[in-house]
Amino acid sequence: RKEVEQDPGPFNVPEGATVAFNCTYSNSASQSFFWYRQDCRKEPKLLMSVYSSGNEDGRFTAQLNRASQYISLLIRDSKLSDSATYLCVVKGTGTASKLTFGTGTRLQVTL
Amino acid sequence: NAGVTQTPKFQVLKTGQSMTLQCAQDMNHNSMYWYRQDPGMGLRLIYYSASEGTTDKGEVPNGYNVSRLNKREFSLRLESAAPSQTSVYFCASSAQTGGNYEQYFGPGTRLTVT
Repeated sequence: RKEVEQDPGPFNVPEGATVAFNCTYSNSASQSFFWYRQDCRKEPKLLMSVYSSGNEDGRFTAQLNRASQYISLLIRDSKLSDSATYLCVVKGTGTASKLTFGTGTRLQVTL
Repeated sequence: NAGVTQTPKFQVLKTGQSMTLQCAQDMNHNSMYWYRQDPGMGLRLIYYSASEGTTDKGEVPNGYNVSRLNKREFSLRLESAAPSQTSVYFCASSAQTGGNYEQYFGPGTRLTVT
């Protein structure tokens, strides 16, 4: 079983739609969780951290369910510029801040 | 403020050739990382350096060596390139202090081994 699993998509949605991605992780001792965004042929960039209480940043909402070991990302009012691959990222235990990346979920927002 | 820079951006090697990928960061970060990204595999950690003077193996270290030259620079060397090493290579850095684990990535090196 992969440490971090995501549906690869693609998710094709019209502009203005709401779309949700889920991600599961296998290590129950994982400490920190993130969503990164990667545009085509570009480097990954941090989109947002995920907190136990859930957190929101504009049109983006991230949720963490530790009991079920899954993380979600909700995007409301999708824009064309949201088209990208969204990477679910988990930090394990230990002193080094090694991150484990999911393979990503591709989102294509269309007119 | 350039962030994380990588050279070269593109490289084509023949099987058996060697090369070094260079990475530098100007954010005074303690930790640096090398990843490779292949279709359907996600980002996989090759080597990392938690602090200047230390290096450790990641998930896929075979065929690679690294050098943490100083706090700013972390290089990745392929001693004898193989077609299986065709990939996109990303260098990243993070502060690793105060609970800040965000990693900042360089633009990547696209390597093809024929």
